[in-house]
Amino acid sequence: EPEVTQTPSHQVTQMGQEVILRCVPISNHLYFYWYRQILGQKVEFLVSFYNNEISEKSEIFDDQFSVERPDGSNFTLKIRSTKLEDSAMYFCASSIHGEGAREKLFFGSGTQLSVL
Amino acid sequence: AQSVTQLDSQVPVFEEAPVELRCNYSSSVSVYLFWYVQYPNQGLQLLLKYLSGSTLVKGINGFEAEFNKSQTSFHLRKPSVHISDTAEYFCAVSDISPGGTSYGKLTFGQGTILTVHP
Repeated sequence: EPEVTQTPSHQVTQMGQEVILRCVPISNHLYFYWYRQILGQKVEFLVSFYNNEISEKSEIFDDQFSVERPDGSNFTLKIRSTKLEDSAMYFCASSIHGEGAREKLFFGSGTQLSVL
Repeated sequence: AQSVTQLDSQVPVFEEAPVELRCNYSSSVSVYLFWYVQYPNQGLQLLLKYLSGSTLVKGINGFEAEFNKSQTSFHLRKPSVHISDTAEYFCAVSDISPGGTSYGKLTFGQGTILTVHP
């Protein structure tokens, strides 16, 4: 089965630094998402992206966050100035265009971000 | 807005025993319902989903779930578990738009860790 690939699997950064998390969605998918899970808490929706623009974003997704599909294959999440509370597992997901099928999200295995 | 509650954070069970993982939700609008599974060091994988129709939904790996609208529940069951079912299981919901679609924004429960012992 095709997979969503996330790199790196672990990333450590210093507070205040910029970080970019990378994802390669499944090739024929058109909808892209970022979720995160802080240790011990629920998986939370961050943002959805379609047709090169944000479709929906949560309250968590403030001005420190941005997403981009720079080259037609990668989908990135940038955190401009990381805070300690940004430490979490970040999951990328994608889904295929089309009624019904849109509800099946394919998730990557996540990037564990640690902000020191 | 929706919320999802998974009533058990951990469920230990012996191999070949039946298991039920409980999920309750609240929402002011109609929702789609999902169960995802996460095996160690892997991403979330869809087990099954309820969109409409029969309230008993069958998924992969012998799992099934029943949608109960009056009790706002979507409990996951398997009649006989295997060691390989050890994983974390997440219940999730998504809004249904007036057009009948959803947009991939899932609200998750906190997860239930199922541990199957030999």
